[in-house]
Amino acid sequence: DAKTTQPNSMESNEEEPVHLPCNHSTISGTDYIHWYRQLPSQGPEYVIHGLTSNVNNRMASLAIAEDRKSSTLILHRATLRDAAVYYCIDIIQGAQKLVFGQGTRLTINP
Amino acid sequence: KAGVTQTPRYLIKTRGQQVTLSCSPISGHRSVSWYQQTPGQGLQFLFEYFSETQRNKGNFPGRFSGRQFSNSRSEMNVSTLELGDSALYLCASSLIQTSGGLAQYFGPGTRLLVL
Repeated sequence: DAKTTQPNSMESNEEEPVHLPCNHSTISGTDYIHWYRQLPSQGPEYVIHGLTSNVNNRMASLAIAEDRKSSTLILHRATLRDAAVYYCIDIIQGAQKLVFGQGTRLTINP
Repeated sequence: KAGVTQTPRYLIKTRGQQVTLSCSPISGHRSVSWYQQTPGQGLQFLFEYFSETQRNKGNFPGRFSGRQFSNSRSEMNVSTLELGDSALYLCASSLIQTSGGLAQYFGPGTRLLVL
């Protein structure tokens, strides 16, 4: 399984953009980059995924470097509800399991 | 649509006992996965079922087992409980993706305490 590297923690302020980085040093050509998050006292939830192009959805944007060795999850306007542990995960196409790392604990200050 | 439901939500057992946890996936989802979450090891994949067949298995001892029924509901069983089995057990369901993405939907989990 491909291994990703993320900062242990990050802090930001409410209503400001947040850029969460991830390094994908062992990613292969068929791995899709995924982001999940886990809010306090809840199970993880899917946020976004992409292969090579940048992606947007109602929750966030995903920026993928040209060499795919790094990606950034962008929360455009953080709210207190975005405080969570964020995980980036590389998943081979067709795989049906998630291999979680330690993730980044995001704190949002009011 | 109703989300993934897990029962029971909390459970206390003693060492040596066995336990069965239940998971009902989102309607229409045929893949069900189980994960264990502990403070020390984080989130770890246990196994995945599709159409009543186990397709993937994580690195856990044989005391951990599961099954899936024809209605996609799933159960996991842990026999001969050990103190280290105390954890949050999470179930997730998903559609089989053809676009390359894996969007798994997680339930609230069952918190198991082994005394």
